[in-house]
Amino acid sequence: EPEVTQTPSHQVTQMGQEVILRCVPISNHLYFYWYRQILGQKVEFLVSFYNNEISEKSEIFDDQFSVERPDGSNFTLKIRSTKLEDSAMYFCASSPGGGWYEQYFGPGTRLTVT
Amino acid sequence: AQRVTQPEKLLSVFKGAPVELKCNYSYSGSPELFWYVQYSRQRLQLLLRHISRESIKGFTADLNKGETSFHLKKPFAQEEDSAMYYCALTNSGYALNFGKGTSLLVTP
Repeated sequence: EPEVTQTPSHQVTQMGQEVILRCVPISNHLYFYWYRQILGQKVEFLVSFYNNEISEKSEIFDDQFSVERPDGSNFTLKIRSTKLEDSAMYFCASSPGGGWYEQYFGPGTRLTVT
Repeated sequence: AQRVTQPEKLLSVFKGAPVELKCNYSYSGSPELFWYVQYSRQRLQLLLRHISRESIKGFTADLNKGETSFHLKKPFAQEEDSAMYYCALTNSGYALNFGKGTSLLVTP
């Protein structure tokens, strides 16, 4: 069964550095998402992406964040200048449609900012 | 603003006992509601959605618009049901708004 994959599984970076988290969504899916979960807190929506543009973003997704689909398979989240509070588990998800369609989640990338 | 509340952080039941995981939401429109589950060392996955009115692994959930609730129920809990359960809502068709989750522990 096709799965969403994410690399790396764990990323350690220093405050102020740029980091890119990578995701390979399920191949025939059209909608792509990033969520994050700070330790002990709930899963929070960051951004959704459809038809090569952002379809929705949360207040968390400020100018420090950007997303890109550089080719037909990868979907990336870039954090330009990481802060300590960016430390979290970042989940990528994809779905064949919006609305009530199931979102398929990746295993997550644990980002640790020191 | 929309909000999803799961009042129980941890719920422990014995095998064979009924289980109810509570979810309340605040949203003025017609939301789409889901239950997602995360088993130990596995990824977050959809358990069920209200629009399908389905029963998955013996679990059901009924949307009660009057009480703004979407509680998850199972008549007889099994040990393999032990997991983290998240109630989620979407009104946009994109962003899932999750509750904080309830950890269900089913003991023999």
